[in-house]
Amino acid sequence: GDSVTQMEGPVTLSEEAFLTINCTYTATGYPSLFWYVQYPGEGLQLLLKATKADDKGSNKGFEATYRKETTSFHLEKGSVQVSDSAVYFCALSDRRGLTGGGNKLTFGTGTQLKVEL
Amino acid sequence: DTGVSQDPRHKITKRGQNVTFRCDPISEHNRLYWYRQTLGQGPEFLTYFQNEAQLEKSRLLSDRFSAERPKGSFSTLEIQRTEQGDSAMYLCASSLPTMGTGTITGELFFGEGSRLTVL
Repeated sequence: GDSVTQMEGPVTLSEEAFLTINCTYTATGYPSLFWYVQYPGEGLQLLLKATKADDKGSNKGFEATYRKETTSFHLEKGSVQVSDSAVYFCALSDRRGLTGGGNKLTFGTGTQLKVEL
Repeated sequence: DTGVSQDPRHKITKRGQNVTFRCDPISEHNRLYWYRQTLGQGPEFLTYFQNEAQLEKSRLLSDRFSAERPKGSFSTLEIQRTEQGDSAMYLCASSLPTMGTGTITGELFFGEGSRLTVL
């Protein structure tokens, strides 16, 4: 079945450091790929997405490129801030979706990011 | 607040008791999902509704679990005869309809979750 593997945390960085969180996937179909973020005390929020190979998703200074050849979707940010401290989840969605065209996501285990001053 | 809301936010119960969680999705969303998240893990899919129809259930959803969405609006997730292994965060999400077959908008809107602790 489909699966997502992401680097274990916690990742601790100083403010303005460069961030990379690795994510690789296994899928039987041709998935769409996502990064979700969970800030302390809040629900999961979509951070960015990419629906086909070589697409780059971007939002709030974060970027990730859909690499079909390496089955990867690594999250990057050039300069992190304390406010980026959160848990980041990589996820995929099988294009075939659920019956009736729903959107079942398969998540990785999450990577906690701590950014310090 | 027009987001997905879940109630209660926290529930502590004794083993063997029944518990029920409620989810109110974003009003124009016809798709509703339940996920379960345990400590250190990502959310795992439990079940999915399109309007009032429950279209898929995960093998994680044992016979003790039942979900309903009677009028295609709010949904309930009931766990009967709770076990300690049921302790988890139960997440609800909703989404808009996809635009034609094979086109997935991708975004699920999640609530803040209902945390269950079974003693």
